[in-house]
Amino acid sequence: DADVTQTPRNRITKTGKRIMLECSQTKGHDRMYWYRQDPGLGLRLIYYSFDVKDINKGEISDGYSVSRQAQAKFSLSLESAIPNQTALYFCATSAWAGGSYEQYFGPGTRLTVT
Amino acid sequence: TQLLEQSPQFLSIQEGENLTVYCNSSSVFSSLQWYRQEPGEGPVLLVTVVTGGEVKKLKRLTFQFGDARKDSSLHITAAQPGDTGLYLCAGGTGAGSYQLTFGKGTKLSVIP
Repeated sequence: DADVTQTPRNRITKTGKRIMLECSQTKGHDRMYWYRQDPGLGLRLIYYSFDVKDINKGEISDGYSVSRQAQAKFSLSLESAIPNQTALYFCATSAWAGGSYEQYFGPGTRLTVT
Repeated sequence: TQLLEQSPQFLSIQEGENLTVYCNSSSVFSSLQWYRQEPGEGPVLLVTVVTGGEVKKLKRLTFQFGDARKDSSLHITAAQPGDTGLYLCAGGTGAGSYQLTFGKGTKLSVIP
């Protein structure tokens, strides 16, 4: 079984709808992240969490919110989806590897906003 | 804002050829990580380098961190079709490099 899972894997929604992307991990890591990936722009950080009570905004948090329901679960919400939020969304966890933190990514959610 | 420039953006080579991908910045990073991503999947960590001048080898892949910790390179010897994918470099900032700044990636195609 995958260590970091994301649901759904694909989602098509309409402008203005609220949508939630979910992430679960079995790696036992405290730190979790949400990124979006756009062609030509690379991966950009949306939010990150060091533990259940510690949530921080990333580079592009406007229009998004998150919830850390438990150590293993970190959800990303789009309160009112807009077309330019169409992208690939990745959840990641990280752990200390003796020199730096290293990140482990889920398989991604492809979101299309029409 | 710290930026990482990757070059080339696209690379198409024949099986057996050698190649180098570059990752450059004007900023200093506490570490540099390289990931490979295949279509429909998330990035997978290949290596982390943390010391200026550090060289790490992973089979046919050689990774180097610049002396000033502003740049890095990935060299692949005798490329194989299985090396095809998107290669991403990521610079670490913050305590223990908890936050990563990603380059835009190099899309490599190795033709049999």
